[in-house]
Amino acid sequence: AQKVTQAQTEISVVEKEDVTLDCVYETRDTTYYLFWYKQPPSGELVFLIRRNSFDEQNEISGRYSWNFQKSTSSFNFTITASQVVDSAVYFCALRGGAGNQFYFGTGTSLTVIP
Amino acid sequence: DGGITQSPKYLFRKEGQNVTLSCEQNLNHDAMYWYRQDPGQGLRLIYYSQIVNDFQKGDIAEGYSVSREKKESFPLTVTSAQKNPTAFYLCASSRLAGVTYEQYFGPGTRLTVT
Repeated sequence: AQKVTQAQTEISVVEKEDVTLDCVYETRDTTYYLFWYKQPPSGELVFLIRRNSFDEQNEISGRYSWNFQKSTSSFNFTITASQVVDSAVYFCALRGGAGNQFYFGTGTSLTVIP
Repeated sequence: DGGITQSPKYLFRKEGQNVTLSCEQNLNHDAMYWYRQDPGQGLRLIYYSQIVNDFQKGDIAEGYSVSREKKESFPLTVTSAQKNPTAFYLCASSRLAGVTYEQYFGPGTRLTVT
């Protein structure tokens, strides 16, 4: 069975603080893909990053970084020096299984307080 | 620019009426998807299609219907049989294989039925 768990429902931080959004996944596939999306108040989901199961290299993009650890089935997302514009709902997703379907977590609502 | 368009952004209907939500993509993606999102909730899959003239039910297909007559278009009809149709509807598309494997989303349609 495929499953994505985002245990943090809501997080509030003060501007310039670092924040980590957790994502834990379950799959029996050896080949799968993991993603993070941002959903600002406008509603459209914006793709942030893709990672395949064979690439455990961490990635940094500006203030964003991602830590993929197969040993703990986690794909965590860290925002450094958070800004008000980072306020959004963030979704972690897994692609795999029969039919290569997408499985989304329930999302983490991040509020950055000025 | 390539992308996904959904129209209209806001839609109001009276109870008992069928309503069709439009979704068009010019990304040349084979797969298209419809999701429903309720306030404070994650994404739930309604229908998806991987090829023209073929589609499969997702987790909450009851009360909805779709068609896929063209690769670019995947309209969703919310029928009067759908008990709680008021929600935010998101359309997405993706490649079936390859490096760029993620879903891209349209801006969404907010449907209100009274």
